[in-house]
Amino acid sequence: EPEVTQTPSHQVTQMGQEVILRCVPISNHLYFYWYRQILGQKVEFLVSFYNNEISEKSEIFDDQFSVERPDGSNFTLKIRSTKLEDSAMYFCASSELGGDQFFGPGTRLTVL
Amino acid sequence: SQKIEQNSEALNIQEGKTATLTCNYTNYSPAYLQWYRQDPGRGPVFLLLIRENEKEKRKERLKVTFDTTLKQSLFHITASQPADSATYLCALATDSWGKLQFGAGTQVVVTP
Repeated sequence: EPEVTQTPSHQVTQMGQEVILRCVPISNHLYFYWYRQILGQKVEFLVSFYNNEISEKSEIFDDQFSVERPDGSNFTLKIRSTKLEDSAMYFCASSELGGDQFFGPGTRLTVL
Repeated sequence: SQKIEQNSEALNIQEGKTATLTCNYTNYSPAYLQWYRQDPGRGPVFLLLIRENEKEKRKERLKVTFDTTLKQSLFHITASQPADSATYLCALATDSWGKLQFGAGTQVVVTP
């Protein structure tokens, strides 16, 4: 069964450094998303992406965040200058038609 | 935005019984509502989607109901098994772009 994959599974970085989290969505899906989950808290929406542009973003997704689909398969989330409060699990998700979303296993980001 | 409420207390249930989880929301009715399963340290796994014009959906031992008058969805696991032990998340989408807003989840513990 096709699945969403994410790399790395765990990223440790120093505050102020840039990180890029990578995702390979399911191949025939058209909608892509990033969510995050701070330890012990709810899953929170960050951004949705369709037709090579952002369709919606949350207030969390400020100028420090960006997304890109550099080729036909990868979908990346970049955090330009990480802060301690960016430490969380980051989940990529994809959807064929904007309905049921399939999530990846997540990248645990630890900012020191 | 929506306020989504799920029972914060863990549901402890004996194997073979039916587990029933509640998801209540405020404000406007979502275009659709989804239920996900999440295991510790893993990404949410899609289970069922129900649209605002649907009353009930079933998939194997799972059943979801949706009452837009009560602003409530019920999620049932029949003939529960220890392998069903996990946290179950309710998520609402208000438009076709599919941005999901999640509840905090209810932990289910099924004992043999």
